[in-house]
This record gives sequence, structure tokens and C-alpha cells, in this order.
Amino acid sequence: DAGVTQSPTHLIKTRGQQVTLRCSPKSGHDTVSWYQQALGQGPQFIFQYYEEEERQRGNFPDRFSGHQFPNYSSELNVNALLLGDSALYLCASSDWTSGGADIQYFGAGTRLSVL
Amino acid sequence: EDKVVQSPLSLVVHEGDTVTLNCSYEVTNFRSLLWYKQEKKAPTFLFMLTSSGIEKKSGRLSSILDKKELFSILNITATQTGDSAVYLCAVDSLANAGKSTFGDGTTLTVKP
Repeated sequence: DAGVTQSPTHLIKTRGQQVTLRCSPKSGHDTVSWYQQALGQGPQFIFQYYEEEERQRGNFPDRFSGHQFPNYSSELNVNALLLGDSALYLCASSDWTSGGADIQYFGAGTRLSVL
Repeated sequence: EDKVVQSPLSLVVHEGDTVTLNCSYEVTNFRSLLWYKQEKKAPTFLFMLTSSGIEKKSGRLSSILDKKELFSILNITATQTGDSAVYLCAVDSLANAGKSTFGDGTTLTVKP
């Protein structure tokens, strides 16, 4: 049973560029959430997708956008990158339909460095 | 705004010691409190607590929730070097299930 997979594992970009991160949820899960984790801090909620719609959003600017596909996989897009966007981006999946929304299964993350 | 504060920020112990990690929270319409273990990158689920006073246990790890005082503790007995990790506490609210608010974690180092 495949867990949550994310790609790429590492990414280096320069300020002003755009980036797309990808996530495949755990088999049987229908909900995907994205988190940003800066060094030494806990994960910060970016947004959550369910049924291909953004259901909830954290305090992140519109430069952060996402998408969920019919197979439940998801993308996170960040435009006009800033140095402060350098972080570990974690994708988490959960099973909303069966009432398991609380317990999230995380991928290994994408380490984004903005130079 | 929901808030989670963990203490201590870091802890160094020797194998065989017992440790207690603390998590206090403020959340509107509490739904659940979760503990995760983060080694290297991916946090892995440990416990979900929803009711006060009921201890959840898994091997050497246990956790309990106090909804009146708004805190939880995670106990690890007979620590091993493999327990070295960052332990994260998170809360969910009724209105925002799955939108977990995390603390900054406790970094536990277990020395041989």
C-alpha cells in the first residue's frame, strides 16, 4: 500500500520564479492538505482540497494556489517566489468521507530553496 | 486564532530514562488533539485524543488529555536512541477538521 508520495524531493529556484510541487495521497484517501514547515518550526497550514475544491485556507497570500485532480492527487503552485518561501513543503492526506479527517498521513516533503 | 505551545523546546536524556512532553492549546470548538513523531522529514501519527482523562497507550508511549486545563502530555518510558525525533502536537477544531494547528515541537535526543 503506497503511502503519500511527493515530488520533487529537492528544488532550487531564484526569486521571482514560479514552482509546482506534486503530491499523490495514500490509497483510499480523498483529502489533501499542504503545509509549509520552516526550519525549527512546526508545519503551517496552507490549504486543503476535497472533491477538487479548496475547502479551507490558512494565512497565506494568493501567490500560493493549488489544484486537486479527479484521482485525488494535488499540486501546490507558488508564484513570484520570495526568499522567505524557502522551507519544507509537506503534503498530507486523510479520509474525509469515512470520518477520518483528523488523522493525516504525511509525505516526506519537498525541500524548496529560493536563492 | 488557534494556538499550540509545546514545552520543553528540546530535551536530552540517556537511554532508559522516562520523559514527559507537554502541549497546551487554545482552540475554538475543540475537536481533537494529535501527536506526531517527525524523524528527518515526514511526521508520523502517534495518537489522537478527543476525550478528557482517557489514556491512549502504544508500547512505551502513552498520552492523556485534560480538556478542562487545555493541555496534553506525551510520556515515553525506557527511552531508546530510536526515540530521538521531533514530537509535534496539533489541534483540530470542529469547524476546521483536518486544518491542524501545530506547535513548534519538542526535539528529543536520547543518548546511549
